[in-house]
Amino acid sequence: GGIITQTPKFLIGQEGQKLTLKCQQNFNHDTMYWYRQDSGKGLRLIYYSITENDLQKGDLSEGYDASREKKSSFSLTVTSAQKNEMAVFLCASSPGTANTEVFFGKGTRLTVV
Amino acid sequence: GDSVTQTEGPVTVSESESLIINCTYSATSIAYPNLFWYVRYPGEGLQLLLKVITAGQKGSSRGFEATYNKETTSFHLQKASVQESDSAVYYCALGDLGSSGSWQLIFGSGTQLTVMP
Repeated sequence: GGIITQTPKFLIGQEGQKLTLKCQQNFNHDTMYWYRQDSGKGLRLIYYSITENDLQKGDLSEGYDASREKKSSFSLTVTSAQKNEMAVFLCASSPGTANTEVFFGKGTRLTVV
Repeated sequence: GDSVTQTEGPVTVSESESLIINCTYSATSIAYPNLFWYVRYPGEGLQLLLKVITAGQKGSSRGFEATYNKETTSFHLQKASVQESDSAVYYCALGDLGSSGSWQLIFGSGTQLTVMP
């Protein structure tokens, strides 16, 4: 089995600050994802990447950048934190082909003060 | 675009009672998407509970069942007798190929389930 490690677990930032969330997976999966989870809402896709150095925008990409410099890692940057950014950010990975399971990390909880 | 609608929480039931969490979907990209239930237990990451990739089939895991009904576009989660350890947040999800041809999941809003002893 493999694991997805997200760092940090908790992130506190100031409004307007640039913040970076990191994710590592050892499944050797091709596809990685960043989702945002707000209270009472489903997971919404921010960015995903189907291979190293690839980036695809999800429905919620505005205000975020992402980077996939290695197959095993996928980072997400909040370009300018806003008070309504407070949410849990989930990283995930999958082999990328149809019908396959998506595996999730435990999340990074972001609080903007 | 694709969407998933599920029972709004929180839902509270007593141990040994039956449970149903409703899920309906709308898929615009493909005719027969794959359907999933994911679960997040307290303190743990989101994990797959069950999946069904063929319309008309039933999936089951840990006493939970869900049937892929293409006529009603539904994938309701059911359990005949819940246990306190089933307390968790349950997410219905639809899987399809995005515009880039890569696999992605569309999630419902989640249903918080609390089982009382």
